[in-house]
Amino acid sequence: DTAVSQTPKYLVTQMGNDKSIKCEQNLGHDTMYWYKQDSKKFLKIMFSYNNKELIINETVPNRFSPKSPDKAHLNLHINSLELGDSAVYFCASSRAWQSTNEKLFFGSGTQLSVL
Amino acid sequence: GESVGLHLPTLSVQEGDNSIINCAYSNSASDYFIWYKQESGKGPQFIIDIRSNMDKRQGQRVTVLLNKTVKHLSLQIAATQPGDSAVYFCAENTGGSQGNLIFGKGTKLSVKP
Repeated sequence: DTAVSQTPKYLVTQMGNDKSIKCEQNLGHDTMYWYKQDSKKFLKIMFSYNNKELIINETVPNRFSPKSPDKAHLNLHINSLELGDSAVYFCASSRAWQSTNEKLFFGSGTQLSVL
Repeated sequence: GESVGLHLPTLSVQEGDNSIINCAYSNSASDYFIWYKQESGKGPQFIIDIRSNMDKRQGQRVTVLLNKTVKHLSLQIAATQPGDSAVYFCAENTGGSQGNLIFGKGTKLSVKP
């Protein structure tokens, strides 16, 4: 029944490794996002996809690569993990693109710890 | 850069009292504002929204006030309960075809029994 679900909930890994976080929404929404929340709780958008097409790609290292196989899924792959990548990553979705003033529905987050 | 901020990073209230969480924004073009609640270990959850053509909107125990003159947004919670303890974020949509939701830093609300 979960509207926006992401896995895993926790991810602990070594520096230099490659990891993926998966996200799925069952709301029938057209737009999906990845946000990063730092230790001070600040939420910053990383990527946004609308109908599987990349709309927003903020200043994010190219080690981060989102992939949207269909509009219900947006996965995040991270190469060569660094200590500074440690954060909570949130997936979100909205009915349509934000230019139409749409609210976001968030997943429960993936806490990534890079050792 | 970031244009949404909060006056108080932490707020402690007594159960049953009213809470007021404030937010300042700097983008006068923003036309849509949302308040989110984030409980520990969970994702942000929508509380209430308001469009720029309104100055007040009420929900169940919550009221959002928008003052465009001074670019100020507030969230009022009536009869605060322990379950209201969380971090509250305001967010603004900067508008336009590339409209983007930008989040403020968050205020932690603690409710004392």
